[in-house]
This record gives sequence, C-alpha cells and structure tokens, in this order.
Amino acid sequence: KQEVTQIPAALSVPEGENLVLNCSFTDSAIYNLQWFRQDPGKGLTSLLLIQSSQREQTSGRLNASLDKSSGRSTLYIAASQPGDSATYLCAVRTGANNLFFGTGTRLTVIP
Amino acid sequence: DAGITQSPRYKITETGRQVTLMCHQTWSHSYMFWYRQDLGHGLRLIYYSAAADITDKGEVPDGYVVSRSKTENFPLTLESATRSQTSVYFCASGGQGYTEAFFGQGTRLTVV
Repeated sequence: KQEVTQIPAALSVPEGENLVLNCSFTDSAIYNLQWFRQDPGKGLTSLLLIQSSQREQTSGRLNASLDKSSGRSTLYIAASQPGDSATYLCAVRTGANNLFFGTGTRLTVIP
Repeated sequence: DAGITQSPRYKITETGRQVTLMCHQTWSHSYMFWYRQDLGHGLRLIYYSAAADITDKGEVPDGYVVSRSKTENFPLTLESATRSQTSVYFCASGGQGYTEAFFGQGTRLTVV
C-alpha cells in the first residue's frame, strides 16, 4: 500500500523567509502528485498538480518539484507571508480512483 | 454557484440514527469521492464513483452507503451512526483521466 510522509509535521518561520516542505512516497508508480492547502476548519484548496512525466510546476510564489524515481516531492514557497499560514497536504494518485494523502505540514508564518 | 458543495456543514446526531451527507458538483466531473479526515490518520477514502450508477469501496467503507443516480450528486449515508464515525467528511470530484481533484468545504459530523 502506498504510504505518504510529510516532514516536518509543523514549521514556524519569520515573514519573508523562503521555505521548503517535503513529501515522500513509498511506491513510485504514481500518475501524479497534488499539493493542497487547508485552512483551519476549511476544505482543501488545490495548489499545484504535477503529472508523473513532469519535474516541476510553478504558480506565483509556489514551486513544486517531483522526483518520481526517488519518491520525493518538495513545495517551495518564496518570500513567505502570514497569509501562507495553513496546513499543506501532498497527495499521490495511483489510479483514477484514489489519492493517497500525507498527514500534512502545519506552517506558521510569523509577522 | 459553480464548484462542489457539501451539506450540511455541521451535524450532530445520536448513535444508531441514519444520517445522509450531501455532495453536489457543477462541473459534470465523472469521478466523485468521499473521504474522512481524522487526527493521526489524515484523509482516507470511503467510497468513490467513476460515473452515474457506478460506485466502489475505498479504504474504510464499513458502515457507509453511497449512491449516484445523477452525475452531479453523490450522497453518503451512515446507516446506523456510531461514535467512531465522528469525523470531518470531504467530498471531491475530478474529471476523466488523472486530473486535478477538487474538494468541498467539508461536513463536520459528531455522533453522540
């Protein structure tokens, strides 16, 4: 069974700092990987989708990379802002029917 | 409004009662999913549907029933609620192929 791990579980950084969130998965036979953001008491907002054939995707201050062979993805956030404070989840798709989720990294950006 | 909506947002029910959580999407996505989110377990798939009238079990289906008579709706029913089903439930949808998944705002269910 696919297992997805996110380290660290929590991270606090001062405003303006660049940061990296990590995601690792045990089975490299994935179709894509998706990064989500979840605010307290809210749903999941899709941030970036990387197909298995891609190495990275960018959206604004966010850049996600994928190394399928080593089972790793990183989410890079540039010039962090207090509004970036949230829990970030990565999920890998192993088939049309399922996403396997990590337990998330809770990010706090301190003003 | 376009998107995926869940109702109710909050629900308190008693042990043994039947409760139905609703999910509606306006994109005509083929795939729809129900997940539950619990501390320490992350999100786990309960049921999914590949199209109207096609449903299948996920990782944690026991105690739940789903139906999908229309493409846009995917209700989740707890036949006889138990305290272990206290959780936050998320509905999601996605198009054909391995496309992006979109999630609703969630339903916080408490079984007392």
